[in-house]
Amino acid sequence: NAGVTQTPKFQVLKTGQSMTLQCAQDMNHEYMSWYRQDPGMGLRLIHYSVGAGITDQGEVPNGYNVSRSTTEDFPLRLLSAAPSQTSVYFCASSYSTSGYNEQFFGPGTRLTVL
Amino acid sequence: KQEVTQIPAALSVPEGENLVLNCSFTDSAIYNLQWFRQDPGKGLTSLLLIQSSQREQTSGRLNASLDKSSGRSTLYIAASQPGDSATYLCAAHNTDKLIFGTGTRLQVFP
Repeated sequence: NAGVTQTPKFQVLKTGQSMTLQCAQDMNHEYMSWYRQDPGMGLRLIHYSVGAGITDQGEVPNGYNVSRSTTEDFPLRLLSAAPSQTSVYFCASSYSTSGYNEQFFGPGTRLTVL
Repeated sequence: KQEVTQIPAALSVPEGENLVLNCSFTDSAIYNLQWFRQDPGKGLTSLLLIQSSQREQTSGRLNASLDKSSGRSTLYIAASQPGDSATYLCAAHNTDKLIFGTGTRLQVFP
């Protein structure tokens, strides 16, 4: 199993540009989520999904869109990038949303918005 | 709203010491609590997961405890090694959300 994969590893954008961060898992996990990590702020939840076709907002959803058309993929879209979105983005997945549900994380995407 | 706090924020110890890292959370209605390790510039590696019905979990030199009533979890590292140097994060799982603390940055020097 490849686990949780993310692409790209690094990205530089100009203000106003849009892009999609890709996340995929091959563990047949129902739950997937996106976090951003900023110095001194820890990891903050952006959006999450409890299954294909179902998404919901986390703590910091503004400026980001998600969709979940398949169990495997959970892309994160930046509609119009802003310098405040400079961060490291992590995707995570787990088998379920309750009980024993160890979270597995991808390697991250480091995004810089100029 | 769940809030997770980790103390201390940073810790520097000589090799061989036994360590305790602390994690506290405000909402005791958690499914489980998970400890992670993060090396600089890397992703998160899961260390231990304690279900809400459990009191502790052990893996090698690591032992994590959970006291839901007091809103606390501790990660005990026995006989620390330089390779243990990393940031350690705890995360509390409530309903559909995993809420993280800001981490403890650990340095173990030879």
